[in-house]
Amino acid sequence: GAGVSQSPRYKVAKRGQDVALRCDPISGHVSLFWYQQALGQGPEFLTYFQNEAQLDKSGLPSDRFFAERPEGSVSTLKIQRTQQEDSAVYLCASSPDDPAHYGYTFGSGTRLTVV
Amino acid sequence: DAKTTQPPSMDCAEGRAANLPCNHSTISGNEYVYWYRQIHSQGPQYIIHGLKNNETNEMASLIITEDRKSSTLILPHATLRDTAVYYCIDATYYGGATNKLIFGTGTLLAVQP
Repeated sequence: GAGVSQSPRYKVAKRGQDVALRCDPISGHVSLFWYQQALGQGPEFLTYFQNEAQLDKSGLPSDRFFAERPEGSVSTLKIQRTQQEDSAVYLCASSPDDPAHYGYTFGSGTRLTVV
Repeated sequence: DAKTTQPPSMDCAEGRAANLPCNHSTISGNEYVYWYRQIHSQGPQYIIHGLKNNETNEMASLIITEDRKSSTLILPHATLRDTAVYYCIDATYYGGATNKLIFGTGTLLAVQP
C-alpha cells in the first residue's frame, strides 16, 4: 500500500490479557519505529528496527513489552499481561535509509484500551 | 525529555499566515530541525526540516535563526484542515544509526473560520 498500515485500529483488552499489534511499513523501508502516545501527550519512543535488527529498545517500559520484525518488513508489538497504564495509542513509523531527507511516515495507530 | 519549547496553543484566522515559533536552546551543530503535525485521530505527518538554511516546500516554510536557537514554521494561507498539534524536534542522523524523534507536547493550532 501507499502508507504505513496498522491493525487492529482499536483493541479492548481485559487486564491481564496478552495483545499483539501489527505494523505493515511502506515496502522497502529500512527503518521502523514504535511509539506510545498517552492521551494529551506527544508520542514517546519505544523501539527501533533497522531491517530485522532491533537496534534500540531503550524506550520499552517493562519486560512485558516485546517487539519483533523477523523478516525485516512486518513488525509486531506484543504486550503481555496488560495493565490499565498500558492504555494508549501505539504508533508505528517507517522510513527509507535516509530519514534526514524524507522524514518518517507514521501509521494511524492502534488505540489500546485496557479495562 | 523533549529538548525544544513551544507555546501550548495558538489561534489563526482562516486564510491568514500562521507563524509557529520554537526554541532550540540546546541544539547541537549536527542536529536537524524537524517539524511534524498531528491531526486528531491520525499519526504525525512530516512537514519540513532544515539544518541551517531556510527551507520551503509545498506545505510550509521554515525559518531558522542564524544561531539556530529558534525556528518558525510558516503556513502561508491557513485553512481549517490545518488545525492540528504541531511539533518541532531536534534530531541527529548518522547514516543508518538510530534517528529517533523525541516529541514534546507541541502547539495546538486552531484555525478559526
